[in-house]
Amino acid sequence: SQTIHQWPATLVQPVGSPLSLECTVEGTSNPNLYWYRQAAGRGLQLLFYSVGIGQISSEVPQNLSASRPQDRQFILSSKKLLLSDSGFYLCAWSGSGRATGELFFGEGSRLTVL
Amino acid sequence: GQSLEQPSEVTAVEGAIVQINCTYQTSGFYGLSWYQQHDGGAPTFLSYNALDGLEETGRFSSFLSRSDSYGYLLLQELQMKDSASYFCAVRDPDTGFQKLVFGTGTRLLVSP
Repeated sequence: SQTIHQWPATLVQPVGSPLSLECTVEGTSNPNLYWYRQAAGRGLQLLFYSVGIGQISSEVPQNLSASRPQDRQFILSSKKLLLSDSGFYLCAWSGSGRATGELFFGEGSRLTVL
Repeated sequence: GQSLEQPSEVTAVEGAIVQINCTYQTSGFYGLSWYQQHDGGAPTFLSYNALDGLEETGRFSSFLSRSDSYGYLLLQELQMKDSASYFCAVRDPDTGFQKLVFGTGTRLLVSP
C-alpha cells in the first residue's frame, strides 16, 4: 500500500533562519507531488507541484523553494524565513495522469516563525 | 483561473441531515472532489464526481450538476465526529489538470 510521510511535524523557527521540510512517498512510482500551505482557519494554498524528478512548478512567488531530488522525495526550503511563513504545511501525492480528484496528504508540518 | 465558492460555516444537530454547497468557475472541467479536515489534521478524500448525479458512500453522498457548475456534499445521520471543515476541489485545466484547486472550505459544527 502507498504511504506518505513528512517531517518534522512541528517546528518553531526565528525570523531569518533557514527551513527544510521533507516528504517521502512509498509504494508508488512517478507520483505527482504537491506542497500546500494552510493559514489558521483558512483554505489550502498550493505552493509547488511536481510531475517528475527535477520538474517544479511554482504557484506563488515568495521566499520558498522546492526540489525533487528523487522520484518519491519532495523538499520545501527557505533560506530566510519571514513571519508570514508561519502556517500548516501539507505534502500530498496523486497518481500521474488525471484519473480522479484524489490527493493523499501527509500528516502536516506546523511551522511557527517568531 | 479557477474559483470555488462554499458557505463558510454550517451548523446542525446530531442525527440531522446537512448539505454543503459548492459552486465553481473553471475554463475546463474534470470532476469535483470533496475532502474532510478535522482541526489540526490533514485533509482526507471523501468523494469524486465526474458525471452528473449522486454518488453515495455510506452516510455521505455527493452530487454534481455540470450544467449548473454546482455540486453538494450531503451528510446524513450526523454524528459529533462529523464536526470538521469540508472542502470542494477541481482540477485546473491550465496545468493539464495536474493541479487541484480547493474551495475556501465550510466549517461544520454538529451539536448534541
